[in-house]
Amino acid sequence: EAGVAQSPRYKIIEKRQSVAFWCNPISGHATLYWYQQILGQGPKLLIQFQNNGVVDDSQLPKDRFSAERLKGVDSTLKIQPAKLEDSAVYLCASSSARTIREQYFGPGTRLTVT
Amino acid sequence: ELKVEQNPLFLSMQEGKNYTIYCNYSTTSDRLYWYRQDPGKSLESLFVLLSNGAVKQEGRLMASLDTKARLSTLHITAAVHDLSATYFCAVDFGNEKLTFGTGTRLTIIP
Repeated sequence: EAGVAQSPRYKIIEKRQSVAFWCNPISGHATLYWYQQILGQGPKLLIQFQNNGVVDDSQLPKDRFSAERLKGVDSTLKIQPAKLEDSAVYLCASSSARTIREQYFGPGTRLTVT
Repeated sequence: ELKVEQNPLFLSMQEGKNYTIYCNYSTTSDRLYWYRQDPGKSLESLFVLLSNGAVKQEGRLMASLDTKARLSTLHITAAVHDLSATYFCAVDFGNEKLTFGTGTRLTIIP
């Protein structure tokens, strides 16, 4: 079974530019999560989707971050405009009720904002 | 507020020794996860603990959960260099979202 796929793996942009990340969850996983992991810290949840609906986006900085999961499968996370403090690893995870809702993580996208 | 605290934050130990990492959390949960993260890598699932008194073991690692004390432990037996990594506990407070601890950076010294 293929794992969670993410791209790109690395991205360097200047502040005020925009960037988008892509995630493809494990096949059949209805729940998809985006986390932000700043260096030296644990991951922090940004947004949770159930199929193509948002369950929780309370910690998403909505003035600059947006996310969508249009067909209930792939998801994109966008930052516009980026700030220096957005430098982090963005992790995508997915889960299924059939696997006790354990979350499986993708390899992450390392974003550097200069 | 939903909080998860780990200690120690940093741990340097000699090969062959035993040690324990502690994970405390702020409010009721019966679902706790342990993850391993190598530098520059993603999170690898180690253990899923789903009930009070749950104990899981894999190789030199053993995890337990005490929901009444709101405490989980990750015990390392006879450490080897390959166990050097950062270990995170994460708690599901009943909403299918994980709140992560700060992580414990473990270094095994030959």
